[in-house]
Amino acid sequence: NAGVTQTPKFQVLKTGQSMTLQCAQDMNHNSMYWYRQDPGMGLRLIYYSASEGTTDKGEVPNGYNVSRLNKREFSLRLESAAPSQTSVYFCASSESGDVGYGYTFGSGTRLTVV
Amino acid sequence: AQSVSQHNHHVILSEAASLELGCNYSYGGTVNLFWYVQYPGQHLQLLLKYFSGDPLVKGIKGFEAEFIKSKFSFNLRKPSVQWSDTAEYFCAVSAYSSASKIIFGSGTRLSIRP
Repeated sequence: NAGVTQTPKFQVLKTGQSMTLQCAQDMNHNSMYWYRQDPGMGLRLIYYSASEGTTDKGEVPNGYNVSRLNKREFSLRLESAAPSQTSVYFCASSESGDVGYGYTFGSGTRLTVV
Repeated sequence: AQSVSQHNHHVILSEAASLELGCNYSYGGTVNLFWYVQYPGQHLQLLLKYFSGDPLVKGIKGFEAEFIKSKFSFNLRKPSVQWSDTAEYFCAVSAYSSASKIIFGSGTRLSIRP
């Protein structure tokens, strides 16, 4: 089925370890996003890519980097994981820079940093 | 920058009760407005969205929302809830003219007693 695919679904890291969360969409969407979801705080935007070749910071970019590898793929990297980065991470995509159509979300990655 | 406030963190209702979840946004310009739902263990799904025109918007599963510009509000309603409506509900806003990002509220958890 068409949609947004995230890998892995679950991950446990030790403090200081690095990892990359992968996201791919097959809907030919231009824009892609990374959010983190924490209890009582809703979804907060980490980084987004309005189009292939561009990336911009969101509300909470510190401790993260992103790469828009091509139109389909948008990865999120934690260089040195911290317990504060324990969260559920969602990738999303939208058809164009005008997000009036809303997002399509992936199923999420549950990350625990110990 | 835009922001979203959801007044109720947790709402508990009995089946067949009427539902209204509050949402206020802060932004001086034209906006797109959304309600997303997240069922337990799943990713976010779009319930309904407002771009322009009729301020009363109907979505899936019997939900509707009313945009009141003078109050900067976009409240979600359902006349008669079901146990299957148990979920977390997120109000969200995007600035009409900006490049591509949606800001989410902190969410309202809805529990329905059978």
